Amino acid sequence: SQQGEEDPQALSIQEGENATMNCSYKTSINNLQWYRQNSGRGLVHLILIRSNEREKHSGRLRVTLDTSKKSSSLLITASRAADTASYFCATKFSGNTPLVFGKGTRLSVIA
Amino acid sequence: DAGITQSPRHKVTETGTPVTLRCHQTENHRYMYWYRQDPGHGLRLIHYSYGVKDTDKGEVSDGYSVSRSKTEDFLLTLESATSSQTSVYFCAISEGGQGNTEAFFGQGTRLTVV
Repeated sequence: SQQGEEDPQALSIQEGENATMNCSYKTSINNLQWYRQNSGRGLVHLILIRSNEREKHSGRLRVTLDTSKKSSSLLITASRAADTASYFCATKFSGNTPLVFGKGTRLSVIA
Repeated sequence: DAGITQSPRHKVTETGTPVTLRCHQTENHRYMYWYRQDPGHGLRLIHYSYGVKDTDKGEVSDGYSVSRSKTEDFLLTLESATSSQTSVYFCAISEGGQGNTEAFFGQGTRLTVV
């Protein structure tokens, strides 16, 4: 499978703490995207980072990409209870291929 | 929210019957996708379309067929439903099929095959 692999599978933190999730993949990519899924809902796009970028920020989100290690990390700073959700990385490989999603990290933020 | 609607939202069907799920978009996006989501497997691509009447298989396409006769509609058919096809099905759309732009997801269809 070409799926990215998120790590950890589940994460539980206190409100106000930072949450870090990682994604590893196997082959060269064009870009990598992170999505959030609240329980019972569809996925929502958070951020896209291209293969020639190393870091991107969006509000409390910080994404890094290390193509030499074939890995990415998503950092959520000052977490809130509303951040409780599953987070997925999605990778885009070369050619006319669609996004391939990993299995996700379940984040629980305890108030 | 992006204009993407899945129907039905919930369905229970019997083994061996055909089932069709519909995805309708109002965004005029070129690319449409069907994924299934199961515990422990994340999202797996079933089929996708990159234009009217242009479709391709994904990772788990066996037992499924699709059709796209209009830009706005992408139909997923389970030719003869099996219990292993019990899942939550998500439709997604994107403007650029190369993954260079974000994908927008529908709310999902929960299908139970009994």
